[in-house]
Amino acid sequence: AQSVTQLGSHVSVSEGALVLLRCNYSSSVPPYLFWYVQYPNQGLQLLLKYTSAATLVKGINGFEAEFKKSETSFHLTKPSAHMSDAAEYFCAVAGTYKYIFGTGTRLKVLA
Amino acid sequence: EAGVAQSPRYKIIEKRQSVAFWCNPISGHATLYWYQQILGQGPKLLIQFQNNGVVDDSQLPKDRFSAERLKGVDSTLKIQPAKLEDSAVYLCASSLGVTGGFSGELFFGEGSRLTVL
Repeated sequence: AQSVTQLGSHVSVSEGALVLLRCNYSSSVPPYLFWYVQYPNQGLQLLLKYTSAATLVKGINGFEAEFKKSETSFHLTKPSAHMSDAAEYFCAVAGTYKYIFGTGTRLKVLA
Repeated sequence: EAGVAQSPRYKIIEKRQSVAFWCNPISGHATLYWYQQILGQGPKLLIQFQNNGVVDDSQLPKDRFSAERLKGVDSTLKIQPAKLEDSAVYLCASSLGVTGGFSGELFFGEGSRLTVL
């Protein structure tokens, strides 16, 4: 069975500060891992994905994530937060037929 | 390329009434998903279609929810009768389908927000 755990339902950072959103996964097979972002009143949009190629994955809007098998983690980072990054972020693990989403982390960016 | 289209965007009904949501996936996408997203939670899969067939409906409350995907394209999700706890955003997503052991990147619509009074 596959699952993801997102640590911290709410994260606040100052504008210009490092963004770190945590995701740990459980999977009995090599996982496909994703980060999606959801802005208010919109659907989910893919930020980046890991599909067993490079362990450091770069996505849109300056975000990146590193796959660490030993830690079963896929944390999302951005060096410098921007006000427009305020949104909800979801980590997901995918298998052959099924996606499992985490409960989400709401990112607040303080001016 | 047109994205996933959903309608209506917003719907308010009273409990015990019925409601239907429509989804048109990206052209050529074989797999279509309906997710329920309750406020403050992650999306929960209700049903997944591969072309015309149902792949997974294990979390669909079949006593009140139904879904169909005619001709492997558009899909409709119906709730009858609605309960207060059905208040949520209903997200439709599509993907190309399974290739190389992977179900493919999901593309989401903007969602249909249901409020049950």
